[in-house]
Amino acid sequence: QSVLTQPPSASGTPGQTVTISCSGSRSNIGSNTVSWYQQLPGTAPKLLIYTNNQRPSGVPDRFSGSKSGTSASLAISGLQSEDEADYYCAAWDDSLNGLFFGGGTKLTVL
Amino acid sequence: QVQLVESGGGLVKPGGSLRLSCAASGFTFSDYFMTWIRQAPGKGLESISYISSISTYTNYADSVKGRFTISRDNAKNSLYLQMTSLRAEDTALYYCARATTWTCNTGTCRLGGSDYWGHGTLVTVSS
Repeated sequence: QSVLTQPPSASGTPGQTVTISCSGSRSNIGSNTVSWYQQLPGTAPKLLIYTNNQRPSGVPDRFSGSKSGTSASLAISGLQSEDEADYYCAAWDDSLNGLFFGGGTKLTVL
Repeated sequence: QVQLVESGGGLVKPGGSLRLSCAASGFTFSDYFMTWIRQAPGKGLESISYISSISTYTNYADSVKGRFTISRDNAKNSLYLQMTSLRAEDTALYYCARATTWTCNTGTCRLGGSDYWGHGTLVTVSS
C-alpha cells in the first residue's frame, strides 16, 4: 500500500487530454509540494513537474500539474504516442519523514 | 551539461556489502542536495536516502536504515552509498539524482523534486 495512491493505468487517444490523479493525506500532499515524473520504457525517470505546477525548462506546456488539499493531478493535453510511459507522483511525508512516490500509472495511447 | 554516472553495482550474496558511486559533472556539485532512489525489477520508485550539500543532513528510508550509509566528497564531485547486510529485497536499479528543491528547519530537511537522474546501476542480491 503506497503512501500516495495513483490509478494503475490510464489511456487516451491521440489529441485527447488525460488526467492522472495522486491521492495522499494531510502529512504529505496536504503539507508539502508535489512533483511528477515520466519514465519511458528502459530509461531513467524524467522530472515533468515540481512544486505542484512548475515545469522545468524543456518540458512541453502540454504537461501541467495542480494540487488541491490532499490530492494532486497531472494533465497531459494533445496526447501523443510518445507520451506512452509510466508516470509517478512524489511528495515529502512529515509523519514518515521521507520522500514517497506513488505506485505509478501506466499510460497507454490507443 | 549535467551528467550523473553511477557505478559499483553487481551481484552480491545475501549479507554482503557493496559501495555505489555517482560521478557528477556539469554543475556546482557542492550547491545541491543529492539523493539515491531505487527501482526493483518491474516495480515502482523508492527514495532511500538523501544528503545535504555539505553533508550536514542525511536521511534514510526505514527499509535501509542502519544498513546503508550515504556520503559525498565535494572535492571529487562524487556521491556514495555504502550498502551492508544486503538482502534479496535490495535487488534493484539504483539511481542517483540531484534534488531540485528542499526546505530545512528545526534540524530536518524536506526534499521536493529531483531534476537530473543518472542511468542507474544494477544491484542483484542472490546466492
